[in-house]
Parts: sequence; structure tokens; C-alpha cells
Amino acid sequence: AQSVTQLDSQVPVFEEAPVELRCNYSSSVSVYLFWYVQYPNQGLQLLLKYLSGSTLVKGINGFEAEFNKSQTSFHLRKPSVHISDTAEYFCAVSGGNTGKLIFGQGTTLQVKP
Amino acid sequence: GAGVSQSPSNKVTEKGKDVELRCDPISGHTALYWYRQRLGQGLEFLIYFQGNSAPDKSGLPSDRFSAERTGESVSTLTIQRTQQEDSAVYLCASSLGGQATYEQYFGPGTRLTVT
Repeated sequence: AQSVTQLDSQVPVFEEAPVELRCNYSSSVSVYLFWYVQYPNQGLQLLLKYLSGSTLVKGINGFEAEFNKSQTSFHLRKPSVHISDTAEYFCAVSGGNTGKLIFGQGTTLQVKP
Repeated sequence: GAGVSQSPSNKVTEKGKDVELRCDPISGHTALYWYRQRLGQGLEFLIYFQGNSAPDKSGLPSDRFSAERTGESVSTLTIQRTQQEDSAVYLCASSLGGQATYEQYFGPGTRLTVT
């Protein structure tokens, strides 16, 4: 069975500071990994994904994530956050042949001025 | 172009009533997924359609939940005899195919409140 753990439920950070949102996964098969963002009162939007190849993945809005197979992690990073990055962030894994996503509990990123 | 749409956006119902939630996927997307998001929690997978068949229903929480899809178009999620624990946001997503390599596009969701 697959599972995802997001280690922080809330991450407060000041504007222009760096941020890391942590995600660990568990899977007995090869996985594909995703980060989604949910802005207030909006639907989910794909930030980035790891399918294969380079373990460092770059996404939209200056975010990047690194796939670490030995540590079963896929942490999301941004070197300098903006107020507009305030949102809920979800890590997800997919390993089957249906494409269904298994999501973590979510991390609320609160960017303060 | 048009994205995934869902209706209604909000639904308040009394315990014990049946409800139907509708999803209109992006045209040409053969794969369709339903997820549930309870307050303060992540998304839970409910069911996956490829065309009008549902090869994975493993996430449906009870036999009160059912879903159907007409061709490669509209899908309806039905909850019978609603309970308060069914209160959640129900999200629909579609993609070009039923593989992880295809990006899933999410609708805005239907917020269901059972009183």
C-alpha cells in the first residue's frame, strides 16, 4: 500500500525567507510524486511532478522539489517566498496503473509581511 | 478552454436524504476521478473511471456511495441516506488517460453539508 506523510501541518514564514515543506512517502513499487497547491477558495493546481530522470524537479512559481529514494522523501522548496504563496500544499504519490493519487494531509504555508 | 466543472458548488441536505453531485470533465479526457476532502484533511480517492467503466472503486467508503459516467463525459456521484460524516468537499478531476504521467485537472469542488 502507498501512503504519504506531510510532516508539518502549518509552516509560518516571513516574506522573502526560504521555505521547505516536507513530504515522505511509502510505497512497495516505483512511484510518481506530485506537489499540488490549493489557494484560498480555489481548486487544486499542479506545482510540479517527478516521473523519472533528474531527481531535482522545477515547477511553477519558483518552486522546486528533490526526489530522494533512499530517504523516501520529496521535499518542496522555494528560496524566497511571497505573500501570494500563502496556500495549502499537498504532496501526492501515484504508483498504480490507474493514475489515482494518494495525498498527504496538507501543509498550510502562511507567509507573513 | 473550459476546465473541469462541478455542480452544485454548494449543497446543504438533511441527514437521510439522497444527493447527486455532477462532474463535467475536460472534453477528450478519458480518465475521471472523484476525491473527497474532509475539513482539515487531505484528499481521499473515491473512484476512477476509464471511459464509462470503473476499474477502481476501492475508495468508496460504503455501499451508500455510487457513481456512474456516461461515455467519456459527465459523471454523477450519488450518496444515499446521507450521514453527517459525509460532509466534505467532493472534488472531480480528469486527465487524458489513466496513468500517472497524465496531469489531472481538478474542478472547483462541491461542498456538501449534511445537517
